[in-house]
Amino acid sequence: DTGVSQDPRHKITKRGQNVTFRCDPISEHNRLYWYRQTLGQGPEFLTYFQNEAQLEKSRLLSDRFSAERPKGSFSTLEIQRTEQGDSAMYLCASSLGTAEAFFGQGTRLTVV
Amino acid sequence: AQSVTQPDIHITVSEGASLELRCNYSYGATPYLFWYVQSPGQGLQLLLKYFSGDTLVQGIKGFEAEFKRSQSSFNLRKPSVHWSDAAEYFCAVGAPGGNFNKFYFGSGTKLNVKP
Repeated sequence: DTGVSQDPRHKITKRGQNVTFRCDPISEHNRLYWYRQTLGQGPEFLTYFQNEAQLEKSRLLSDRFSAERPKGSFSTLEIQRTEQGDSAMYLCASSLGTAEAFFGQGTRLTVV
Repeated sequence: AQSVTQPDIHITVSEGASLELRCNYSYGATPYLFWYVQSPGQGLQLLLKYFSGDTLVQGIKGFEAEFKRSQSSFNLRKPSVHWSDAAEYFCAVGAPGGNFNKFYFGSGTKLNVKP
């Protein structure tokens, strides 16, 4: 068990570019969560999946954001036309049902 | 709506001293409460959680927390701090309806430990 894995760990992109992050959950975990953490703040919920179904999306997840979890395994979070306000740490977590969630180390996005 | 307040942004304690980190929550029902720790550049690690029952809960690394409904508080304590405890600590409320892992986090308390 290697835990929750996120790739890349760091991403620097120019404003207006698209970026995609990947999260590999713990293998038997059926729930997967995305959070965003800006400097000096606690993480904020973005969305979550149960298996391949995206069951909830926060209002923070604008139309430029899309998340997928094909086949209920890994998940991707794409941000289109990035803006400087998108600069943040994007955290992924997984759980087996309502049991304890395990977080990955995050992807730090910097938009310049 | 659920919300969590951590009134202390930074706290500095000496190694070996006791620690208490404050957390207040706003919630309409019995809350599911959590404390997480985050080291620089790392993800979050669960320290402890409260769902129901005994209001004093024990966690990993010698931490404990006490749920006080009358004060809407869930303060984290440790009797003797170690230098390795320096990190940022987040209190969180889990969403109702059983999806506990949809968290509402506080803004965190950064702990510094003096040698």
